[in-house]
Amino acid sequence: GQSLEQPSEVTAVEGAIVQINCTYQTSGFYGLSWYQQHDGGAPTFLSYNALDGLEETGRFSSFLSRSDSYGYLLLQELQMKDSASYFCAVSAPTGANNLFFGTGTRLTVIP
Amino acid sequence: ETGVTQSPTHLIKTRGQQVTLRCSSQSGHNTVSWYQQALGQGPQFIFQYYREEENGRGNFPPRFSGLQFPNYSSELNVNALELDDSALYLCASSWASDSSSYEQYFGPGTRLTVT
Repeated sequence: GQSLEQPSEVTAVEGAIVQINCTYQTSGFYGLSWYQQHDGGAPTFLSYNALDGLEETGRFSSFLSRSDSYGYLLLQELQMKDSASYFCAVSAPTGANNLFFGTGTRLTVIP
Repeated sequence: ETGVTQSPTHLIKTRGQQVTLRCSSQSGHNTVSWYQQALGQGPQFIFQYYREEENGRGNFPPRFSGLQFPNYSSELNVNALELDDSALYLCASSWASDSSSYEQYFGPGTRLTVT
């Protein structure tokens, strides 16, 4: 089966940098994705790592270490609008191209 | 480009009833996945449809069923509703390929309340 662990809540100051960690256990692994979900909204895709290393997309970066079954999402220059829930999700060869989501990290950005 | 749409946005049903939720996939996408998201939890995979056939299923009972139509739109049907079925139901579309479709486009969801 699959399991993912993330911190439940993180609070950070506007303009700062925050890192959200994700550890996973899966039977088979394609890659690790990150999604953002604002209250009442739909999850939106942020980033994906299939190989070890850092992927950068604007203010957001994502890192993966396959040997450690570990990844993180790094948000720089935090803005108030970044307050949302962030989910890591594993893609695995289970016979369907589906995603297994973690329970999410609630990020609150304060002035 | 049209995004993923879902209907209805909200729905209230009584325990034991049946419900049908609908989803129109994003233009150009041929794969639809359905997820259940309980309050404060991550989305849980229900099943996926590709070319009108079920292409994988999560840990949900058979009373959760679905369909995909030739235009790639999809329905989720839930029979014999239980109180625990109250959740946000999300539809996501993607373009299936040999590798895992990690980038899925989600609709706004249908909020189902079972009383």
